[in-house]
Amino acid sequence: KAGVTQTPRYLIKTRGQQVTLSCSPISGHRSVSWYQQTPGQGLQFLFEYFSETQRNKGNFPGRFSGRQFSNSRSEMNVSTLELGDSALYLCASSLQISYNEQFFGPGTRLTVL
Amino acid sequence: GQNIDQPTEMTATEGAIVQINCTYQTSGFNGLFWYQQHAGEAPTFLSYNVLDGLEEKGRFSSFLSRSKGYSYLLLKELQMKDSASYLCAVREGNSGYALNFGKGTSLLVTP
Repeated sequence: KAGVTQTPRYLIKTRGQQVTLSCSPISGHRSVSWYQQTPGQGLQFLFEYFSETQRNKGNFPGRFSGRQFSNSRSEMNVSTLELGDSALYLCASSLQISYNEQFFGPGTRLTVL
Repeated sequence: GQNIDQPTEMTATEGAIVQINCTYQTSGFNGLFWYQQHAGEAPTFLSYNVLDGLEEKGRFSSFLSRSKGYSYLLLKELQMKDSASYLCAVREGNSGYALNFGKGTSLLVTP
């Protein structure tokens, strides 16, 4: 069974641009969560989707948004990029919402210059 | 919101036992998780505790005391490949599957 896949794996953007990251969950998994990981702040929750609906949102500005499609694939978008947005963005999937075990993808490394 | 505290770094010797502590404060506890993350890789699930007590899984065990807001991860018979970051995460009651992570403990296993 294929794991969680994320594309692209690496991305370089400049300040002010926008970016879209993609996540394909494990087949059959319906819940997708997004996290930002930085050396200073560690892993921080961005948002969670289940059945195409955002179920929970972390403390990030409105520049960070996401969506989930009917096939459970998810995208997140960051607009008006700032230097501080440079991070590893991780996607995690689980069978159902509030399921105990979630599986992380390899992440997308975003660098903002 | 939550405060999750764990030591930043630890060093232990191959073959030894190490205990990584995690303390937390939360308004509606609904589970504590431990993840392992090797450098440059995604976190992988190690354990889940929702009731007080010890959960054992091979060389790894995790303990929870809800009244004390305390958990630990115990690693036995340490191997070099156990060198990694260990992340403690807490789920609140109404947060769906959202996890709040501590900043992780970087464990170095030496020969």
